[in-house]
Amino acid sequence: RKEVEQDPGPFNVPEGATVAFNCTYSNSASQSFFWYRQDCRKEPKLLMSVYSSGNEDGRFTAQLNRASQYISLLIRDSKLSDSATYLCAVIRTSGTYKYIFGTGTRLKVLA
Amino acid sequence: NAGVTQTPKFQVLKTGQSMTLQCAQDMNHNSMYWYRQDPGMGLRLIYYSASEGTTDKGEVPNGYNVSRLNKREFSLRLESAAPSQTSVYFCASGDPPVADTQYFGPGTRLTVL
Repeated sequence: RKEVEQDPGPFNVPEGATVAFNCTYSNSASQSFFWYRQDCRKEPKLLMSVYSSGNEDGRFTAQLNRASQYISLLIRDSKLSDSATYLCAVIRTSGTYKYIFGTGTRLKVLA
Repeated sequence: NAGVTQTPKFQVLKTGQSMTLQCAQDMNHNSMYWYRQDPGMGLRLIYYSASEGTTDKGEVPNGYNVSRLNKREFSLRLESAAPSQTSVYFCASGDPPVADTQYFGPGTRLTVL
């Protein structure tokens, strides 16, 4: 089992829809959590950090559930430009500082 | 600011050839990383350098060597390329634990024939 797991998708949603992705992590020593966005044939870029209290940035909401060991990303009012792959990332510091990425969830927003 | 730069953007090698991928960052970050990304496998850490003068193996170091030339530059060398090393290679930098975000370069697409 991978330490950080995501549903690869693709999630095909119509414009204007709300879509949510989850990312599960298996190591309870994980301390920091992030969502990155990766466009086709481009590098990953930070979308948002995920805080314990949850955080929102415009149409994007990220939440952390430590008890069940997952983070989520909610996108409201999807735009065509939201089509991309969304990677979750986890930092754990048991022993050494380690940054671990999920394999990504692909989103396609359809006109 | 250029952020993280990588050269070359594309490369085709024959089995057994060697090459060095270059990476530089202008954000004064202490830590630098080399990843490879393959379909269905996600980003896998090859080597990282927590600070100038130190390097450590990541998840998939076999067949690669690295050099942290100075604080700005971190190179990845393939001594004898194999078809299994066909991949997209990303360099990244960051400043943990003060700043946890990783900033990525544009990537190098490598094909080994």
